[in-house]
Amino acid sequence: AQTVTQSQPEMSVQEAETVTLSCTYDTSESNYYLFWYKQPPSRQMILVIRQEAYKQQNATENRFSVNFQKAAKSFSLKISDSQLGDTAMYFCAFLPLWDGTASKLTFGTGTRLQVTL
Amino acid sequence: DAGVIQSPRHEVTEMGQEVTLRCKPISGHNSLFWYRQTMMRGLELLIYFNNNVPIDDSGMPEDRFSAKMPNASFSTLKIQPSEPRDSAVYFCASSLGAGGRRNEQFFGPGTRLTVL
Repeated sequence: AQTVTQSQPEMSVQEAETVTLSCTYDTSESNYYLFWYKQPPSRQMILVIRQEAYKQQNATENRFSVNFQKAAKSFSLKISDSQLGDTAMYFCAFLPLWDGTASKLTFGTGTRLQVTL
Repeated sequence: DAGVIQSPRHEVTEMGQEVTLRCKPISGHNSLFWYRQTMMRGLELLIYFNNNVPIDDSGMPEDRFSAKMPNASFSTLKIQPSEPRDSAVYFCASSLGAGGRRNEQFFGPGTRLTVL
């Protein structure tokens, strides 16, 4: 079984600043994906960024980037130039990749990010 | 593509009533997932289907909960009888299915259930 831990229940950042959200995971799987999802007040689950475990290069999507440390089982999210619209709950999630069958996501408990003026 | 469609978006019911939540996955997706989100327990997987067959229902809390997927384009999650502790947001998600990037899940907008 997998576990995903987000140790920061709440964080705050000023507009235009940079913030890093932490996530660690535990697994015996060798092939997997990691995700960060954003959940704004509308409740919609929005995929922010994905990282394939076999790729050493850290994923980047515009202002969002990750620091993936496979040996340490760490997967942090960096948001640069924070915007008010980034205010949301952020969930780290783990997905094992199994051949021939679908697999299930395991979510962390989330980090509530508030972007302030 | 319209994305994953869930109905209703909001449901308010009284304890003891039957509740049916509906989900239409993205066309062509072979796997469907039902999640529940509460403040206390976060996001929990209740059940998931692959090619309309339930694969893992270990997250279904009790016999009051049941889920069906009669065809590739429709699934229901039923609670009978409902209780106040069932109040939560219920998400449906779908994915292409097995193998690599095909496992990525796309979420519907959720159904907010309130049981009085």
